Amino acid sequence: DIILTQSPLSLPVTPGESASISCRSSQSLVHRDGYDYLDWYLQKPGQAPQLLIYFASYRASGVPDRFSGSGSDTEFTLKIDRVEAEDVGVYYCMQALQTPWTFGQGTKVEVK
Amino acid sequence: QAQLVQSGAEVKKPGASLKVSCRASGYTFIEQYINWVRQAPGQGPEWMGRINPNGGGTMYSQKFQGRVTMTRDTSITTVYMEMSRLRSDDTAVYYCARSSRLYYHGMDIWGQGTTVTVS
Repeated sequence: DIILTQSPLSLPVTPGESASISCRSSQSLVHRDGYDYLDWYLQKPGQAPQLLIYFASYRASGVPDRFSGSGSDTEFTLKIDRVEAEDVGVYYCMQALQTPWTFGQGTKVEVK
Repeated sequence: QAQLVQSGAEVKKPGASLKVSCRASGYTFIEQYINWVRQAPGQGPEWMGRINPNGGGTMYSQKFQGRVTMTRDTSITTVYMEMSRLRSDDTAVYYCARSSRLYYHGMDIWGQGTTVTVS
């Protein structure tokens, strides 16, 4: 199975500032179609995960442009600009290149 | 709008079987895979497998092979996930989530989750 390693695991942020989360894969996530099959999800307390980013950098419908994804191959980053109180929760990266799809351990974002 | 609605919470004894439903609406049922993802208390999500409503083909994580069966009823746009020989470590919230068969764009719609307690 592909292993995804996130860092940091906990991230206190000040509203209005930016935050970055790293996700490293044990294998390249580049598909033969050229896309990186790496998603980012946010799970707010008591809710199902919600999709933020797919193909490493494509924002899902309705996701604010404060959220951006970058990276390729085995190194990926989620950046949140101008963090808001509603952004708190646990952020997960997930690979969909090969089954079983696997998730990172999660990064808990808290507002200071 | 597209949505997935799951069946209610379950309490099961070890060794029993479980069947959770996921009813889809607001989109073309056969165009989207339905994935099952579970999340044990305090843990991250875990992908269990998926079903193609167009034909019923399945793909399971090896971890669940032989213990999980996913089926669908196209007449009522509903997918089912059955798990047998339940253990205490199967206690989790079980989610269904769709992903496109035609052009991958993540798991963009999720059910509300079904809490399963094995005790």
